[in-house]
Amino acid sequence: GESVGLHLPTLSVQEGDNSIINCAYSNSASDYFIWYKQESGKGPQFIIDIRSNMDKRQGQRVTVLLNKTVKHLSLQIAATQPGDSAVYFCAEKGNTPLVFGKGTRLSVIA
Amino acid sequence: DAGVIQSPRHEVTEMGQEVTLRCKPISGHNSLFWYRQTMMRGLELLIYFNNNVPIDDSGMPEDRFSAKMPNASFSTLKIQPSEPRDSAVYFCASSSTGRGEKLFFGSGTQLSVL
Repeated sequence: GESVGLHLPTLSVQEGDNSIINCAYSNSASDYFIWYKQESGKGPQFIIDIRSNMDKRQGQRVTVLLNKTVKHLSLQIAATQPGDSAVYFCAEKGNTPLVFGKGTRLSVIA
Repeated sequence: DAGVIQSPRHEVTEMGQEVTLRCKPISGHNSLFWYRQTMMRGLELLIYFNNNVPIDDSGMPEDRFSAKMPNASFSTLKIQPSEPRDSAVYFCASSSTGRGEKLFFGSGTQLSVL
């Protein structure tokens, strides 16, 4: 989920398990959503995106689910690997540029 | 493609000094964005350009901040005078979609103002 202030929510997952990172977005007019991964010392890296006319989209080991009724977005990572450890951001877009959430830290336990 | 290139990677300066951050977007991308990232406020949009023209600078914190895009392959973000509260990581991103979707980010400039 999203965070307030200094403390990012942290999700700890055993290597090989599936991860689910959640995001609540704020603007019901948003029609485009995107997930980014940010590793320490690097810029955000695109993972997957979805438009509001879809409720699910799959990539390689990742799936994004969109529930417009409750304004909820989730990122599922299958068979989580140590290299998946990072901060994950969701972002939404309507008539304005992308607005980013505060992020969730994913920690993979080997 | 080399991706979005930012320089410098790190900048340490004293309060009151001028700071200039540089960005080279991905070739062929027509939109460029400047973001600032802090622990407290996350990723905040400062300004963005479409086809080298500033579209929305409402995120620029104060008149001390200015940004230019003289051509399609170069942009600068300038802070003058700099203050300690400007310390943050500044990211540049570019996009080819025209709607500002699917941004590609640079590695950022870590700015420390003492």
